Amino acid sequence: QVQLVESGGGLVKPGGSLRLSCAASGFSFSDYYITWIRQAPGKGLEWVSYISSSGSPIYHAASVKGRFTISRDNAKNFVYLQMNSLRAEDTAVYYCARGRWFGDFDYWGQGTLVTVSS
Amino acid sequence: QSALTQPASVSGSPGQSITISCTGTSSDVGGYSYVSWFRQHPGEAPKLMIYDVFTRSSGVSTRFSGSKSGNTASLTISGLQAEDEADYYCSSYTSSSTYVFGSGTKVTVL
Repeated sequence: QVQLVESGGGLVKPGGSLRLSCAASGFSFSDYYITWIRQAPGKGLEWVSYISSSGSPIYHAASVKGRFTISRDNAKNFVYLQMNSLRAEDTAVYYCARGRWFGDFDYWGQGTLVTVSS
Repeated sequence: QSALTQPASVSGSPGQSITISCTGTSSDVGGYSYVSWFRQHPGEAPKLMIYDVFTRSSGVSTRFSGSKSGNTASLTISGLQAEDEADYYCSSYTSSSTYVFGSGTKVTVL
């Protein structure tokens, strides 16, 4: 069955870095784009990053551009989100989701919590 | 990119129909037929309900339907059921090749 499993979340100080991973299984990984979406505690969904099935192009939300970088390893079925210069407002549950067409994020992981606090 | 505008809450009695609106701009909702709707129950990951404005995702009940007019998209739930009580989010592709979500709507079944 299709599975997306996020990992790498945790507590980090402002200005610090963290790398999130999204492990995929149960489908032809290289046929799908992957996107990261986050949800601050008690708040709504916010789109973060996108990487195409081949690894290019990639896109980031303005709120994270220059600080976050998305990448993928199609040989290992992983997508990564490198997060640098973290701020308190980056505190959220981060979900990875897959898609083949515009906006059809049809499978999501369970999410990993990132907390940015001193 | 500002969040798309949704009503904070919508409620209805079992069996009734409700409609959730999602208002954006010509750079997102109005410019593309790539509007999606997601349902999220507390403590769970969101679930894709509709994409491409009106296409139901696999396994989604025909009680859910989508539409769009100008810069506003809508999700209609007919025959409201207790399981429909959840948060609903719209999303749209944008002219920047990014996506934007709506502010979210809490649906309450009275």
